[in-house]
Amino acid sequence: AQTIHQWPVAEIKAVGSPLSLGCTIKGKSSPNLYWYWQATGGTLQQLFYSITVGQVESVVQLNLSASRPKDDQFILSTEKLLLSHSGFYLCAWSLWASSYEQYFGPGTRLTVL
Amino acid sequence: SQWGEENLQALSIQEGEDVTMNCSYKTYTTVVQWYRQKSGKGPAQLILIRSNEREKRSGRLRATLDTSSQSSSLSITGTLATDTAVYFCATDSSGSWQLIFGSGTQLTVMP
Repeated sequence: AQTIHQWPVAEIKAVGSPLSLGCTIKGKSSPNLYWYWQATGGTLQQLFYSITVGQVESVVQLNLSASRPKDDQFILSTEKLLLSHSGFYLCAWSLWASSYEQYFGPGTRLTVL
Repeated sequence: SQWGEENLQALSIQEGEDVTMNCSYKTYTTVVQWYRQKSGKGPAQLILIRSNEREKRSGRLRATLDTSSQSSSLSITGTLATDTAVYFCATDSSGSWQLIFGSGTQLTVMP
């Protein structure tokens, strides 16, 4: 069975500080990977997607970057956090293009003060 | 935005009642997916309906798709308190890698 793990579960960070969020998928080879951001009470906004190791495409510009250093790992980061980065970050994977089901992780709650 | 009318709303019903949630979209999509997100969790797909299908059923769920009006609905029959969640519809922006979510409907089912 496939499992998706995100870390950390929650973070409280200061404006201007760096950030690194991680996501690992086990039990599935070469998945398509996605990062989403969700404001409190809001909808999900896709940020990045990756279909292979080392290749990441940006969907929206939010002063964030993403990398895929391993087949089963997806990293979201920034060097300088903004207040607007607060929210819920979700990692997801799929077998094929987004036209198919995406499986979401448990998420990371980020609060920027 | 891919989405037409704002579909963010809050519905509160009694357990056992039926409910229908609607959404509309602006541009062509190959599929409409419905996801459910419980508080503090990641979303989970409930049902996927393709552009060549008009209706799809799964247990107590029924999804419809009207490509002529670019709208979709999700119905739940015999709701349970455990159906309390936010329900999102999502389209694939014409088969691209981007999945676009609607604003969501907060459904509260009271026991």
